[in-house]
Amino acid sequence: DQQVKQNSPSLSVQEGRISILNCDYTNSMFDYFLWYKKYPAEGPTFLISISSIKDKNEDGRFTVFLNKSAKHLSLHIVPSQPGDSAVYFCAALSQGNLIFGKGTKLSVKP
Amino acid sequence: DTGVSQDPRHKITKRGQNVTFRCDPISEHNRLYWYRQTLGQGPEFLTYFQNEAQLEKSRLLSDRFSAERPKGSFSTLEIQRTEQGDSAMYLCASSLRQVVRTSGNTIYFGEGSWLTVV
Repeated sequence: DQQVKQNSPSLSVQEGRISILNCDYTNSMFDYFLWYKKYPAEGPTFLISISSIKDKNEDGRFTVFLNKSAKHLSLHIVPSQPGDSAVYFCAALSQGNLIFGKGTKLSVKP
Repeated sequence: DTGVSQDPRHKITKRGQNVTFRCDPISEHNRLYWYRQTLGQGPEFLTYFQNEAQLEKSRLLSDRFSAERPKGSFSTLEIQRTEQGDSAMYLCASSLRQVVRTSGNTIYFGEGSWLTVV
């Protein structure tokens, strides 16, 4: 049973607009979440993380929001750029290793 | 560049052959992880080391798989008697001993090693 779920396999947005990628988790014991970006044939690259003691963390164009009661987090990218086109993985830290969702493929069109 | 490096990047092998992948972590990192990723899936945890000690192994790591980190630096992942279902990207990652819940310390991945079993 998947503990980290990314229910949208793909998302397409226009350059300059906001991209919102969603992630749900089932285990209320998870207390730290990370987002990774992955280009084809490369390893995942760390983007941003959030601890469960916060509900928001911002780094430049990237903001992650955490709603603990809903067991939901989202990654906002504003403004979206064509170079942001990649697969985005949500991950939860569990006992020292990461549990990943299946990813969402983001396409940013010029 | 002192990131996580993996070798080889690509390997094509015949079913039944053995393959070995090598990972060199970021130098000051004492935790090293192996993950596997197949098409349409997120990376799946296989095993991790704290220095030279293998602390956890996933049920995905069958008896045909063995990982070592003999001196607490580089690691190898060997797959014996490969099967077509082993075709995947094998990802190595490293971190400091404990992933502190701040953005300054996280798990960093290598470029991955693609395995194709024909």
